Amino acid sequence: DADVTQTPRNRITKTGKRIMLECSQTKGHDRMYWYRQDPGLGLRLIYYSFDVKDINKGEISDGYSVSRQAQAKFSLSLESAIPNQTALYFCATSDSANNEQFFGPGTRLTVL
Amino acid sequence: AQSVTQLGSHVSVSEGALVLLRCNYSSSVPPYLFWYVQYPNQGLQLLLKYTSAATLVKGINGFEAEFKKSETSFHLTKPSAHMSDAAVYFCAVMGAHNAGNMLTFGGGTRLMVKP
Repeated sequence: DADVTQTPRNRITKTGKRIMLECSQTKGHDRMYWYRQDPGLGLRLIYYSFDVKDINKGEISDGYSVSRQAQAKFSLSLESAIPNQTALYFCATSDSANNEQFFGPGTRLTVL
Repeated sequence: AQSVTQLGSHVSVSEGALVLLRCNYSSSVPPYLFWYVQYPNQGLQLLLKYTSAATLVKGINGFEAEFKKSETSFHLTKPSAHMSDAAVYFCAVMGAHNAGNMLTFGGGTRLMVKP
């Protein structure tokens, strides 16, 4: 079974709709991250969380919000989706003892 | 502040040929450096990492990278390309004392392997 899972894997929505992307992990890590991937730009950090009560904005947080419902769950919301939020979204986890991040399979989001 | 530049968004090699993917970084503190690979429709998988031990780092699938401080580079190589190596490769940097394990990624290089 995958250690980091993301749902849905693919989503097509319309401009103005509210969308939630979910991430769950069974690795027992305290740190979780949301990135978006755009062609030629690599991955850019949207939000990150060091524990349930610690949430921080990343490089490109405008238009996004997050919720850390439990240590194992970290959700990303688009309150009112717009076409330039069309991208591949990745969740990742790490722990304080190891500098490696582990990535989920990604969610491909298309906003029409 | 830190940044990563990957020269060449697309690299094409023949099967059996040397693979060389370039990565240059800038960091105001001693860096940790990573190479990740993304196969089609999958997430990122760690290939190898440099964390201030040996400057030549060996990773999975026959890949290796050499940390060269004087050149601020961390190029990825493999002596002989396989068809299965076709993927997108990302170089990433983290400040060595970054308590949050924050990664900064390069733009990625798509490796194509010709038969």
